[in-house]
Order: sequence, then structure tokens, then C-alpha cells
Amino acid sequence: GAGVSQTPSNKVTEKGKYVELRCDPISGHTALYWYRQSLGQGPEFLIYFQGTGAADDSGLPNDRFFAVRPEGSVSTLKIQRTERGDSAVYLCASSSQAGYYEQYFGPGTRLTVT
Amino acid sequence: GESVGLHLPTLSVQEGDNSIINCAYSNSASDYFIWYKQESGKGPQFIIDIRSNMDKRQGQRVTVLLNKTVKHLSLQIAATQPGDSAVYFCAENPGSGKLIFGQGTELSVKP
Repeated sequence: GAGVSQTPSNKVTEKGKYVELRCDPISGHTALYWYRQSLGQGPEFLIYFQGTGAADDSGLPNDRFFAVRPEGSVSTLKIQRTERGDSAVYLCASSSQAGYYEQYFGPGTRLTVT
Repeated sequence: GESVGLHLPTLSVQEGDNSIINCAYSNSASDYFIWYKQESGKGPQFIIDIRSNMDKRQGQRVTVLLNKTVKHLSLQIAATQPGDSAVYFCAENPGSGKLIFGQGTELSVKP
């Protein structure tokens, strides 16, 4: 079946602009996770959803970052007033439930802030 | 704070040899660990996992060993193949599902 998909695959934006990154999880998966990966580093947790609600947003670096999952399926990560330090690969993962369940990752969105 | 780290950033092996990738974790309360493989331009791919009530778990050509006494995790790949070339991450799941990843080890397989 279809895996986790993310769009766009690449996004180049100017400093100060607003961006939205989309994640389509595996159908039926109730848990959805966002991670950020800088070059040469492991993914870093940002936020996760169980259903429509954000169960843990402790990894969001500041209030410029926000994520939604209004219908419990697709999620959008929103970044306001982008900064060059936001440049990274943003990964989305989903699992059948939160907790000790295998997470399936999408290919990521590479964000470059110029 | 909590952290999961790898001892070696790069590992080069000959095709057909066995590979061992190591990982240390700091949170003794962690009870679930996962190894991921990441190829260039792709997201991490699940390889194998282990719960803290186990010392060893085997999959197809891979074995994960957990030593809770010294908080050490290792991934063994038997008969390493060129397709195994990638970056390998260990990750810690403290229970919520939120994964804590280490830095990664790049495995290079020479034909």
C-alpha cells in the first residue's frame, strides 16, 4: 500500500517568508509525528498528534512553528517568518497508534531558507 | 539530559564481512530501542527493535544486542552487502512514541 507522502519534496524560500509543509500519513494511522533533520545529524522530534490533537509539542523550537491535523489524517507544519537556521529536512512519520509502535517515515521535505 | 549517541561516525567494511554498529544511551528508564537505516534522500527505514526485557533479537541478517548494565546497544549485520551502505541510527522510545535519535554511523561497503 501507499506509504507516508510529503509535499513538496523541496522548498526554497526567502528569509522572513511563511511556509507550509504537508504530510499524508498511512491510511488508518492515528499517530503522526514531525521531526527535523539537519545535515549529518539524527532526526529531532518536533511534535506528535494522536488523532486531531497535539499530544506532545515539546520539540517545537519556538512560536514561529505550528502544526495542525484538523481531520486526524493529513497534517501541515507551518513556519512563520522563516530564518536561515530553519533550513533542514522535515520528516513526517506515522504509526497505527502512539507508543511502542513502528513509525513509518516519509521521504521528507528539504527546506532551504535563503 | 537524555541522549542517545553513537561511538563511531563512519565504518568501512568489505563486502561479505560482518558489520557491528554501536550506540550508547543515557536514560536507564528507556525500555524500547529501534535501529533505522537511512539512504541518501530518503526517510529512515525501520530495521529492527528490541524491548528492555530482552538482551538479543534477530532478524534477517541483522541482530540487535542490548546491554542494560552499561546502557549499550549494537546492531550486527551479517554478510554485509553493497546495498547495506547507508547511515544507521539508533533511537530510543521513552514510551510516548516520541523518538530520540543518535547522531548516526555511516556504513560504507567496499566490493
